Amino acid sequence: DADVTQTPRNRITKTGKRIMLECSQTKGHDRMYWYRQDPGLGLRLIYYSFDVKDINKGEISDGYSVSRQAQAKFSLSLESAIPNQTALYFCAIQGASNQPQHFGDGTRLSIL
Amino acid sequence: AQSVTQPDIHITVSEGASLELRCNYSYGATPYLFWYVQSPGQGLQLLLKYFSGDTLVQGIKGFEAEFKRSQSSFNLRKPSVHWSDAAEYFCAVGAHYGGSQGNLIFGKGTKLSVKP
Repeated sequence: DADVTQTPRNRITKTGKRIMLECSQTKGHDRMYWYRQDPGLGLRLIYYSFDVKDINKGEISDGYSVSRQAQAKFSLSLESAIPNQTALYFCAIQGASNQPQHFGDGTRLSIL
Repeated sequence: AQSVTQPDIHITVSEGASLELRCNYSYGATPYLFWYVQSPGQGLQLLLKYFSGDTLVQGIKGFEAEFKRSQSSFNLRKPSVHWSDAAEYFCAVGAHYGGSQGNLIFGKGTKLSVKP
């Protein structure tokens, strides 16, 4: 099994719909992250969580919300999707602050 | 504020040629530094990391990088490129103090194409 699993891998939806992207991990790490990737812009941090009761906004949190349901699960929601949220979304985990982050395979989201 | 600059958006090299991808960072202290690679349709895979100590670090797939404090650089190198190295490469800097300790700031990436 992969260390970090993202579902779905691909999603096409319409403007105004509510969408949830899910991330689960098997490593038992406390730290989890959500990024979006846009061509030419690299990865930008949306939200992060250092444990189950900890949620923090990243660089581009507007229009997004998250839920840390358990140590292993960290979900990203778009309450009312808009076309400029079309992007590739990555979840990452990290064992400690001085360790690398490890990424899932991403969710490609298209909003029409 | 932390920042990472990858000056080259796209580089093309011939198979078997040497490679150097540039990365410059801005940070108030010695940072944690990383290189990741992303193949099409894939997530990011860690190539190598620098935390402290020896400034020349070895990574997977024959890659190495050298931390140069005086130049605020962490350039990625490979002596002989293989066609399978064609991918996008991201440099990242991590904070090692403060409330955002462990968070990463990514460069915008360098896309590598390999000519046969």
